[in-house]
Amino acid sequence: DVKVTQSSRYLVKRTGEKVFLECVQDMDHENMFWYRQDPGLGLRLIYFSYDVKMKEKGDIPEGYSVSREKKERFSLILESASTNQTSMYLCASKGANTEAFFGQGTRLTVV
Amino acid sequence: KQEVTQIPAALSVPEGENLVLNCSFTDSAIYNLQWFRQDPGKGLTSLLLIQSSQREQTSGRLNASLDKSSGRSTLYIAASQPGDSATYLCAVRTNDYKLSFGAGTTVTVRA
Repeated sequence: DVKVTQSSRYLVKRTGEKVFLECVQDMDHENMFWYRQDPGLGLRLIYFSYDVKMKEKGDIPEGYSVSREKKERFSLILESASTNQTSMYLCASKGANTEAFFGQGTRLTVV
Repeated sequence: KQEVTQIPAALSVPEGENLVLNCSFTDSAIYNLQWFRQDPGKGLTSLLLIQSSQREQTSGRLNASLDKSSGRSTLYIAASQPGDSATYLCAVRTNDYKLSFGAGTTVTVRA
């Protein structure tokens, strides 16, 4: 059974904290993605990576960075968390021409 | 930029009725189209992937069609059940690895 695993289901962080969201896939996929999902705005792409150490900005990269040191792991970093980054964060992976698979999501609340 | 639209935004049907969900996209130069299901507070579950060269794809009670030239896909769910209640999203992949998502159709199947 294919798996995309996000490190936390729920997180509560304080404003100004540095936050790490981790995602691991076991399908040897080249491509990995971070989205955020907000009511009324749908899924918006933050960053994606098409290879180890390679990354590209998505539609809303401001306030975020990413790291992909190994093929199976893609990390999303909130450099200084703010309340407007309270959201559901979804990680996905896909092969060159395969389905995309999503993790279970991380509900982040910044207080 | 690829724009993906799903109409209607919400749908309520009695159990046993067939469901018809629509997805339209503005740029017909797609690699594939994928349908997902999302339960409240959860990640996305892949339902069907249709490659750009295919006209339809079937899995159990689900059938998805693709008309690339007119920029449309339709997801049919036969003999709906209360367990089919969820939000259904379509996503198209264009030539830059990215997936562009529609806002989703929220389905309620009444027992």
